[in-house]
This record gives sequence, structure tokens and C-alpha cells, in this order.
Amino acid sequence: DTGVSQDPRHKITKRGQNVTFRCDPISEHNRLYWYRQTLGQGPEFLTYFQNEAQLEKSRLLSDRFSAERPKGSFSTLEIQRTEQGDSAMYLCASSLIGELFFGEGSRLTVL
Amino acid sequence: KQEVTQIPAALSVPEGENLVLNCSFTDSAIYNLQWFRQDPGKGLTSLLLIQSSQREQTSGRLNASLDKSSGRSTLYIAASQPGDSATYLCAVRRGGWNTDKLIFGTGTRLQVFP
Repeated sequence: DTGVSQDPRHKITKRGQNVTFRCDPISEHNRLYWYRQTLGQGPEFLTYFQNEAQLEKSRLLSDRFSAERPKGSFSTLEIQRTEQGDSAMYLCASSLIGELFFGEGSRLTVL
Repeated sequence: KQEVTQIPAALSVPEGENLVLNCSFTDSAIYNLQWFRQDPGKGLTSLLLIQSSQREQTSGRLNASLDKSSGRSTLYIAASQPGDSATYLCAVRRGGWNTDKLIFGTGTRLQVFP
């Protein structure tokens, strides 16, 4: 039984470039969540899916951000035209009922 | 708006001490509360989950309590070890038919020295 996996673990990009992160949840978990964490802060909710339906999006998720979960399994989070303020750890989590399980995160550095 | 506060922000103790980490939240209408551990540069590891109807949960040297009416939870760590050094985060979960999110505190950074 593998946990939540995220790829890539680290991404360095120049301002204005697009980046995409992938999350593979624990198999059979129907809910998948994206969070963002900056240094010294707790994670902040971005969005979540139940199966393939995106049910809630935070106001933090500007129109430069888009998340998909096309077949109700893996998910992608794309950031277009990155800004320095997007530098953060992007965390993915999944759950079936109750407890959330997080991946190791994808750290984004925007130069 | 739900706000979660953790006290203290940082704690440094000698090995072997029993310690208590505190978490408070402003809205008692929660679905559950979860405690996590985070090592530097890593993801979150779930430690304990307490449903809103429960008062406490135990796992090994860890015990978490929940008092919904007062908006408080504590994480008790018995006989602390250097390997317990990490940041501990609590998060409350709002549930409902159209919402499902964790609201996190900013964490308690724990250092246990030999």
C-alpha cells in the first residue's frame, strides 16, 4: 500500500513560466485535496475533488491556477505565468472517510 | 470564520520530559480535529484523528484530547525523545455537503535535546 505521491518534489522556474504538479492519491481514496504552505505557516486550503468533480475552490486559487482530476484518480495542479509570490510548498492529500493523508509535497521556487 | 491558534510557537525540552501542546479554535462546529507532525522540508504525517463526538485518542506515547465546547485540544507527548523533534500542527475540519477543508494552526516547533 503506497501513500500519496507527488511529482516533482522540487521545481525551480523563472517568473512567467508555467508549471504543473502531479499528485497520485492512495488508491480507492475518493477525495483529493490541494494545499499550499509557505515558510513558518500552516498549510492553506486551495481546492478539493470528490472523484472527478471539483467541489470547492479557495479564493487563494486565482485564475492563473487550475486543478484537474480527469478520471477520478491522479490530479494535476497547473500554475500559469508564475510569480515570485507563488513560491511555496504545494501539498496534496487524499481521504476516504475522516482522516487525511498527505504526500511529501512539491516545493516551487520562482526566480 | 474559523481560526486555529497553537501555543507555544516553539518549545525546547530535555529528553524524557512529558509535554503538552495546545490548540484552540474559534468555531466549535467542527467535524473532526487532526494532529500532524512535519519534519523540515517534508510533508505532513498524521498522528491522531479525533471525531467531534470523541473526547480523546491515544497512540503509543501520544494522547490527544478534544473539548469542543471550549474550543480546545491538547496533544500530550509522554517521555519525549530526540526523534520527536519536529513541528506539530493541529487542524480542524469543517464538513458539510458542499465544503470539506482543514483549517490549520501555525504549528508548535518542538526540539528535544539529549
